[in-house]
Amino acid sequence: DIQMTQSPSTLSASVGDRVTITCRASQSIGTWLAWYQQKPGKAPKLLIYKALTSQSGVPSRFSGSGSGTEFTLTISSLQPDDFATYYCQQYSTYSIFGQGTRLEIK
Amino acid sequence: QVQLQESGPGLVKPSETLSLTCTVSGDSISGYYWSWIRQTPGKGLEWIGHVHYTGRTKYNPSLRSRITISLDTSKSQFSLRVSSLTAADTALYYCARGLNADEFDFWGQGTLVSVSS
Repeated sequence: DIQMTQSPSTLSASVGDRVTITCRASQSIGTWLAWYQQKPGKAPKLLIYKALTSQSGVPSRFSGSGSGTEFTLTISSLQPDDFATYYCQQYSTYSIFGQGTRLEIK
Repeated sequence: QVQLQESGPGLVKPSETLSLTCTVSGDSISGYYWSWIRQTPGKGLEWIGHVHYTGRTKYNPSLRSRITISLDTSKSQFSLRVSSLTAADTALYYCARGLNADEFDFWGQGTLVSVSS
């Protein structure tokens, strides 16, 4: 099975900060990677798919990059609404999610 | 706006079979993949499987022996059956729509299923 490892597990940041979350795959997955945002009590929300394609309606401060085994989600300037948990998901074989990164207010 | 709504029992007994249904509104079933995903505090998000609008299915290998996902296009519904339940199947179960394959752009609100005697 492909393993997905996100880092960090928890990230403390302030409004206006630029933050980066990393997701590593145990083997190459091409660009078959998506990013989701989840808030408490809500379903995950698709932000990015195919590693770098933004889902319709997602603010431009969210961007994705990477291919092969290493991927990043970048938020260019944190807004109050962005404090949430973020998950990566590979769908090269069957879908496997990362363990999540909790983004909290510093 | 596409909406998905899960329905089914909140409590089931060990060794029994769970049946959940997802009703889709606001768009056609055609052209998409329809998935079930569950979430627990311990294991996080776990993809269970999907059914394509053509009826083709794909399952998580770790669950394949106990899972059936089916589609009823006339009712705009798809369903999940999980057999031989244990406490480890206790989870929040989501249904979701997949673009292309498993890019989940619309989700249901989730339904909590507890497995307990």
